[in-house]
Amino acid sequence: GDSVTQMEGPVTLSEEAFLTINCTYTATGYPSLFWYVQYPGEGLQLLLKATKADDKGSNKGFEATYRKETTSFHLEKGSVQVSDSAVYFCALTESGGYNKLIFGAGTRLAVHP
Amino acid sequence: DVKVTQSSRYLVKRTGEKVFLECVQDMDHENMFWYRQDPGLGLRLIYFSYDVKMKEKGDIPEGYSVSREKKERFSLILESASTNQTSMYLCASRDGNTIYFGEGSWLTVV
Repeated sequence: GDSVTQMEGPVTLSEEAFLTINCTYTATGYPSLFWYVQYPGEGLQLLLKATKADDKGSNKGFEATYRKETTSFHLEKGSVQVSDSAVYFCALTESGGYNKLIFGAGTRLAVHP
Repeated sequence: DVKVTQSSRYLVKRTGEKVFLECVQDMDHENMFWYRQDPGLGLRLIYFSYDVKMKEKGDIPEGYSVSREKKERFSLILESASTNQTSMYLCASRDGNTIYFGEGSWLTVV
């Protein structure tokens, strides 16, 4: 079935460093792809999404491009802040059916001043 | 903005109690979901509902049931709570191809 694999954390960076969190997927159809962010003690917030190949999702300085040829949706940010410290989840909507979300395991990001 | 509201953020219940977790969305969405989140296991789908009174089992439905009597409300029920159901529970609803989450309910079963 469909699945999502993302890089293990934790990722530890200094403020203003460049961030990449890798995400690859396996899907039989043409899923939509998502990044969600979870701050400590809170639920998941939608960060960005892309619905078809070569689409770029962006929000709050974060970007990710839907790469069908490499089945990837890597999350990037040019200059991270302490406030970006959170857990990031890559996800896709299941092909067909009721479009359930399938999540990666999550990657914890810690940004230090 | 899409609003998904979970009525209880923190609950402590005793083993064997019947527990209700309530979720409300105000955007007339047809699809609603309940997930649980555990360290090392990520997010797992318990149940989802695609319309009023309609429900489907997710990946881990054992020990749970759900109720969807009105479109805006989707309840998760633990018929007899057990300690292995201590977890964070996340409700979500779907708008088009995007799923939005509530803030989560932390349940501790003692």
